[in-house]
Amino acid sequence: SQKIEQNSEALNIQEGKTATLTCNYTNYSPAYLQWYRQDPGRGPVFLLLIRENEKEKRKERLKVTFDTTLKQSLFHITASQPADSATYLCALANTGNQFYFGTGTSLTVIP
Amino acid sequence: DAGVIQSPRHEVTEMGQEVTLRCKPISGHNSLFWYRQTMMRGLELLIYFNNNVPIDDSGMPEDRFSAKMPNASFSTLKIQPSEPRDSAVYFCASSLAVGSGNTIYFGEGSWLTVV
Repeated sequence: SQKIEQNSEALNIQEGKTATLTCNYTNYSPAYLQWYRQDPGRGPVFLLLIRENEKEKRKERLKVTFDTTLKQSLFHITASQPADSATYLCALANTGNQFYFGTGTSLTVIP
Repeated sequence: DAGVIQSPRHEVTEMGQEVTLRCKPISGHNSLFWYRQTMMRGLELLIYFNNNVPIDDSGMPEDRFSAKMPNASFSTLKIQPSEPRDSAVYFCASSLAVGSGNTIYFGEGSWLTVV
């Protein structure tokens, strides 16, 4: 079965720095990869979608890369702010609509 | 739009009791998902409906779990009998039709504690 791994440790960074989160997968060939943000006590909220034929996607301070050879996606938050502190989840899907989620990475931006 | 609506938000029940979780998807969405989230296992897909029809229920842990979608605006997830290991947050989510990597919209979750 597919396996999706994110940064195993919580990530702490200084405000203003770039946060980089990783999502690695095995036994899967996703057509789409998404990143979600989850705040404590809330449901995940969609941030970005990238397709298998796209290398990079940007949205404001967010950037996602997708390397199907390495089976890896990187999620970058530039000029990080304390408000960016949350858990970030990657999700993969094939041509259907069944998204499988990673376990998430907890990010803390320190003022 | 009100988003995906789940009820109850919190439920504490005794082992052996039946638990029913409810979900109203976003109007116009024809895919509905039930996920379970725990610290140990993260967010797990339990079952997925498309046009009210269950497409994949391979994630349902065992026969104690069942899900129905009698119409496009309502779904239930039932656990009978409940056990302490079922304690988790259960999320319902919905999206538009398959095939385009459509965004999944999550509800706020139903926090279940089985004692």
